[in-house]
Amino acid sequence: SYELTQPPSVSVSPGQTARITCSGDALPKKYAYWYQQKSGQAPVLVIYEDSKRPSGIPERFSGSSSGTMATLTISGAQVEDEADYYCYSTDSSGNLVVFGGGTKLTVL
Amino acid sequence: EVQLVESGGGLVKPGGSLRLSCAASGFTFSNAWMSWVRQAPGKGLEWVGRIKSKTDGGTTDYAAPVKGRFTISRDDSKNTLYLQMNSLKTEDTAVYYCTKPTCSGGSCYEGGWGQGTLVTVSS
Repeated sequence: SYELTQPPSVSVSPGQTARITCSGDALPKKYAYWYQQKSGQAPVLVIYEDSKRPSGIPERFSGSSSGTMATLTISGAQVEDEADYYCYSTDSSGNLVVFGGGTKLTVL
Repeated sequence: EVQLVESGGGLVKPGGSLRLSCAASGFTFSNAWMSWVRQAPGKGLEWVGRIKSKTDGGTTDYAAPVKGRFTISRDDSKNTLYLQMNSLKTEDTAVYYCTKPTCSGGSCYEGGWGQGTLVTVSS
């Protein structure tokens, strides 16, 4: 089965840049998406198609992808950005969808 | 506005069955691919499976842990998505979300989410 691998946790101070990585063998051919989930809430899409930002998402959120790794970058992280972040993509066939294991971002 | 409302969750014994429903509104349900995503308590998101629209073949795909036990179906006349869960295991305990994939240029992501319904598998 296909897997996306994320670090379990990332910690930064307010105003610093947070980077969360996601590795997967099919990422050179498939887009990565990123979701933010705060406690008790449904996930919210923050990046789609590797690097595009949905309307309403702050500009400090950006995404990139190179080879088998996608990266979510939060430039100037704020306390309200504390959440779990999940990458999302498909296997090479496009038929099986997978979420990464999630990364807990702490901003303090 | 996309609205998805799940129902049918509850407590069930290991080996038992349960059927979840998802009432959809705010979009043309018959044209939409639909998915289920779950989240075990304190754990990450897990894609469960998907059903395509009938015009796209109406086929289903499932994650390995549920394949052969869970069945996704749809009733386009009722704008409702279903998840039939059989041979339930304790590890199936989770909040189950109904989602509406948004597709563009051959790539899709879960664009709309319901509020979720809790399924607890315990003796």
